[in-house]
Order: sequence, then C-alpha cells, then structure tokens
Amino acid sequence: GENVEQHPSTLSVQEGDSAVIKCTYSDSASNYFPWYKQELGKGPQLIIDIRSNVGEKKDQRIAVTLNKTAKHFSLHITETQPEDSAVYFCAASWSTSYDKVIFGPGTSLSVIP
Amino acid sequence: GAVVSQHPSRVICKSGTSVKIECRSLDFQATTMFWYRQFPKQSLMLMATSNEGSKATYEQGVEKDKFLINHASLTLSTLTVTSAHPEDSSFYICSVRAGGTGELFFGEGSRLTVL
Repeated sequence: GENVEQHPSTLSVQEGDSAVIKCTYSDSASNYFPWYKQELGKGPQLIIDIRSNVGEKKDQRIAVTLNKTAKHFSLHITETQPEDSAVYFCAASWSTSYDKVIFGPGTSLSVIP
Repeated sequence: GAVVSQHPSRVICKSGTSVKIECRSLDFQATTMFWYRQFPKQSLMLMATSNEGSKATYEQGVEKDKFLINHASLTLSTLTVTSAHPEDSSFYICSVRAGGTGELFFGEGSRLTVL
C-alpha cells in the first residue's frame, strides 16, 4: 500500500520568511496530492492540492510542486504570518471518491513574530 | 459553509460503555465515507472505509467488532466504539471525498475521553 513520508517534523521560521515542507510517496499510481492545515482541536482543512498531470500549482502565498519521477512533492509558504502556525499534513491518493487517502506524519510549523 | 458535520464534538464516558459518533455529508451524497483516528501529536490514521448499504472495510489492526460502522444512507455514517476503554481515548474524524474532484473534506472531529 501507499506510504507517505514528510520532513521536517517541526519547523520554526521568522515572520515574513518562507517555509518549505517536503514529502515522498511510495505508490507510483497515486495521482492526487492534497495538503492540509490542522489547528489545535480542529479537523484538517484542505489548503491546496495538485494532480499528477501538473508540476506546480500556486494560490497566493502557497505553492505546491510535484516531481512524479522522484515521487516527491513539496509545499512552499511565502511571507509567513503568525496565523500560518499549525500542523501541516501532506497526503497521497488516487483521485476517485472511493479511494482512501494516506497521510504523512505531519509538520508542526511555528511562525515567530 | 461546512461540508461535513460531525457530532458530538466532545464526549466523556465511563470504561465499558459504548459511544456513537455521527458523521453527516451536507453538500453531496456520499457512497463512501472515511473514518480516521488521531492520537495527540500524531498523524491521521485511517481506521475504515464506510460504504453505503454494505459492510465497512477496515484497515489492518482495527477491530471491526470494537469499532462498529453503519452507513445507512447517502448522507449519514456512524461509528460506535463498543465497550470503550481508556486506550480508546482519541480524536475521531470522519471525511468525505467529492465525486468530481476527489477533494477530501473533514468533519470537525470528535474528542473521546474514556475514564
């Protein structure tokens, strides 16, 4: 089955700096890669996703890149703000509504004002 | 607005009792729902895939007789933790994938504490 690894486990940046979180996956058939932000005591919220037919996707301060050959994908947050502090999870899956989504172990991001 | 509604958000029970958690898909019909469990400072671990009108599919290591899943309609799945023990204390989160995009939406989670 699919296995997702994520690094680093914790990340601390100064406000305004960029943050990068990297993930790898094992199943070459996976074609859907979402990223989630989870605040304490709440359910995860989808922040961006990318599909295997695209190499990069950007939404304001957030961007995701995908290297299918290497089975790597990364989350980039620019101009970080204190409210970006949370736990971020990457995940991998097939893109149908009935396929399970497997999550990485998570990265705890702290943005220092 | 919320896509997935989960209830209750918090529940405290005594050891040996059973607890039911409800998950409702608000925006679309869901033939498949997913139940995850999350221990403190850990990732989301898939427990089971809930299938409308048929038996749930459980992940390896998850006891089907302990975690009963019922998906009786296209908008409602329930998870019942039977004979709960303190080690079952966790954050239980349900989710639904949208049919067209495959996006995975989560409920707000249910915090179970077993005394």
